[in-house]
Amino acid sequence: GQQLNQSPQSMFIQEGEDVSMNCTSSSIFNTWLWYKQDPGEGPVLLIALYKAGELTSNGRLTAQFGITRKDSFLNISASIPSDVGIYFCAGQLRRDDKIIFGKGTRLHILP
Amino acid sequence: DSGVTQTPKHLITATGQRVTLRCSPRSGDLSVYWYQQSLDQGLQFLIQYYNGEERAKGNILERFSAQQFPDLHSELNLSSLELGDSALYFCASSAKDRVVAPLHFGNGTRLTVT
Repeated sequence: GQQLNQSPQSMFIQEGEDVSMNCTSSSIFNTWLWYKQDPGEGPVLLIALYKAGELTSNGRLTAQFGITRKDSFLNISASIPSDVGIYFCAGQLRRDDKIIFGKGTRLHILP
Repeated sequence: DSGVTQTPKHLITATGQRVTLRCSPRSGDLSVYWYQQSLDQGLQFLIQYYNGEERAKGNILERFSAQQFPDLHSELNLSSLELGDSALYFCASSAKDRVVAPLHFGNGTRLTVT
């Protein structure tokens, strides 16, 4: 079935470090979405990407829609404690418009 | 606050029982999506409704069903519950159907089957 490969599965970083995570697939997507989920809450939209090659920023977050339409990455600069959580990528498949999610990247910040 | 309301927040029930989860989408949103999130798992798409009609189905079991009412709220019915059905169930809404608008999620219903 359709699958999004999100990596890394988890990250342990120091406060102030930059973070990079990505999602790849063998399928082609029309849209990429990046979400953050805090414990006990629903995912919150961070960035939406609609065109191949598009690079969009939201504060310290930057995401790009891959040129091949099969991948996307999310970067977080100068991480802070409130960045801790699970980050999900989601893509809308060009084939049937379904929206599928990656398994998430758990971000931990070391004291 | 995403504007998507889910009730109840927590639900504890026994195997074999039936429960109903409720979702009110953001004002003006016509699409409602249901997702299941098990422990340490990603979000598994169950079903989508658009303006009252079923639009897409994912990995939804036959024991599960859903509907969207004329006022656009949606209900997810889970029957003959099994221990493995314990999970977080999220509802999300979006403004449009085939032209995707970002999904906005509620805070979920945590279902525990004992």
